[in-house]
Amino acid sequence: KQEVTQIPAALSVPEGENLVLNCSFTDSAIYNLQWFRQDPGKGLTSLLLIQSSQREQTSGRLNASLDKSSGRSTLYIAASQPGDSATYLCAVVSFKTIFGAGTRLFVKA
Amino acid sequence: SAVISQKPSRDICQRGTSLTIQCQVDSQVTMMFWYRQQPGQSLTLIATANQGSEATYESGFVIDKFPISRPNLTFSTLTVSNMSPEDSSIYLCSVATGTGVEKLFFGSGTQLSVL
Repeated sequence: KQEVTQIPAALSVPEGENLVLNCSFTDSAIYNLQWFRQDPGKGLTSLLLIQSSQREQTSGRLNASLDKSSGRSTLYIAASQPGDSATYLCAVVSFKTIFGAGTRLFVKA
Repeated sequence: SAVISQKPSRDICQRGTSLTIQCQVDSQVTMMFWYRQQPGQSLTLIATANQGSEATYESGFVIDKFPISRPNLTFSTLTVSNMSPEDSSIYLCSVATGTGVEKLFFGSGTQLSVL
């Protein structure tokens, strides 16, 4: 049974810092992994999708990597801004889609 | 990509009543998914809705409590029936679509509070 863990559960950083969010999964037989952003009380906005055959994807200040053999993905946010404050979730897609519990990020101005 | 309109965005309901949540997609999709997100928790899949057939419910969710309609390829509803305070959650609809690789898209969510 696939289990997805996100560490840290919460993170507070000053504006301008580069930061890394982690997503671990127990079963490496995945189709792809998707990172989302969720603002309080809202739906999920897709940030990046990495296919199982890929190592990383980039969009603007965001970079996501995938290491299937070790069951890990990281989301790197460069030069963080207060507007990046949100919860970040990873979703591991195999036979079923399993979500992590998320990392709550607060970027201080 | 897919744009999903979900409504209502939030509601406050009395115990014992029912609420129907609507989800409209801007393109035809085979499957639509309904999720629940309880306070401080991650997403849990309630059911998968295919057009023309009954929804498939996940363990712990039953049709009597969460009836789903899927009248066409762009629309679905989820009803939360006979509500109790434990039903207070965010409810989200989702689709998976794309060329080659399917990507998940979500509606804006319905924040439900049951008094």
